[in-house]
Amino acid sequence: DAKTTQPPSMDCAEGRAANLPCNHSTISGNEYVYWYRQIHSQGPQYIIHGLKNNETNEMASLIITEDRKSSTLILPHATLRDTAVYYCIITRDDKIIFGKGTRLHILP
Amino acid sequence: DTEVTQTPKHLVMGMTNKKSLKCEQHMGHRAMYWYKQKAKKPPELMFVYSYEKLSINESVPSRFSPECPNSSLLNLHLHALQPEDSALYLCASSQFHSLPADTQYFGPGTRLTVL
Repeated sequence: DAKTTQPPSMDCAEGRAANLPCNHSTISGNEYVYWYRQIHSQGPQYIIHGLKNNETNEMASLIITEDRKSSTLILPHATLRDTAVYYCIITRDDKIIFGKGTRLHILP
Repeated sequence: DTEVTQTPKHLVMGMTNKKSLKCEQHMGHRAMYWYKQKAKKPPELMFVYSYEKLSINESVPSRFSPECPNSSLLNLHLHALQPEDSALYLCASSQFHSLPADTQYFGPGTRLTVL
């Protein structure tokens, strides 16, 4: 079973920052937080991952709370192409187990 | 090149047919994966290959038979499937199959319909 809780859907206006929350209160010390997204009818796409520190790459930023029980994925300037299902994943052993994800709608 | 390719894109087969799905990557990755995704559900892991050897089988029925002929290729052989096996079949690869889980790169999937 997935060990993460995400809102089932969210809306964000085009050009604004999209902040996607994820709760993972049972995370263990050596488990990473991964984010993937899946645009309709495509394969999942890796976005970012982190252990303790905040991370940033060309796609997004990942903010992990100090107790590591929750995190937020930030897409700084959302576009219509960011409409997708976003999966927050806590790696379990050597597998990634997808939960239900958040369906993000970008509104023009 | 971070591309994983899958062929065919679409496949329609009868319950008595034998068919194969193919996946290829040229990133030098040593781990490859098969996932199954039903409509409006998240992907579910089926098999993991590490260094061309099967390391995880998530209790998948024997009508699905994976094969890894070399480090770049992954096949999924299908035989005597049921209509409920209709789904999007996703292939992925990662540099290694390790603890903790390595970043995986996914192909576009093969959409399978079983009649």
